Amino acid sequence: GQQLNQSPQSMFIQEGEDVSMNCTSSSIFNTWLWYKQEPGEGPVLLIALYKAGELTSNGRLTAQFGITRKDSFLNISASIPSDVGIYFCAGGYYGQNFVFGPGTRLSVLP
Amino acid sequence: EAQVTQNPRYLITVTGKKLTVTCSQNMNHEYMSWYRQDPGLGLRQIYYSMNVEVTDKGDVPEGYKVSRKEKRNFPLILESPSPNQTSLYFCASSLAGVTSGTQYFGPGTRLTVL
Repeated sequence: GQQLNQSPQSMFIQEGEDVSMNCTSSSIFNTWLWYKQEPGEGPVLLIALYKAGELTSNGRLTAQFGITRKDSFLNISASIPSDVGIYFCAGGYYGQNFVFGPGTRLSVLP
Repeated sequence: EAQVTQNPRYLITVTGKKLTVTCSQNMNHEYMSWYRQDPGLGLRQIYYSMNVEVTDKGDVPEGYKVSRKEKRNFPLILESPSPNQTSLYFCASSLAGVTSGTQYFGPGTRLTVL
């Protein structure tokens, strides 16, 4: 099946730093979703993007739908310990199901 | 409270012993789906259902069955589990499914097949 690439696979940052991660695909999508998964829990939707070039924020999180429609980016500003978790991107296209990336594991050091 | 529930949360079983993992949602969602999550591979879709009595294969359907007799329930059945089905399983639902609805995930079922 189709696969998405997420970068980086994992990252360790200091509390207060900004975080950037991205997701790329060989195919175009018309929807990008970003999820966060905490230990022992299911993924929780953070941001949904429906239009190429769209920039959407949710608190300290900002995500962008790449203009090529083959990538998306997630930024977290001023990280805090509760940002720890695995961040997944998912891409969707008309008539097809969502495809998930392998995730970016974020660790925040106090 | 709107939610997706799964049972059991943890299960250890032996090869060949049939098992069912239940999934239920209380949001009147049409679309439901099962995923498995393995380290480094993210979430891979097993089966999905667009509505009652409508199911279809996802990316990794081998060794699994599903049914959708009621809108709220979408059980995952392993007729003869094998060790390579040891994984973390998630059920998800959304209002309209593909690209137009955001999915809500259950808490997960961690399955170990010995």
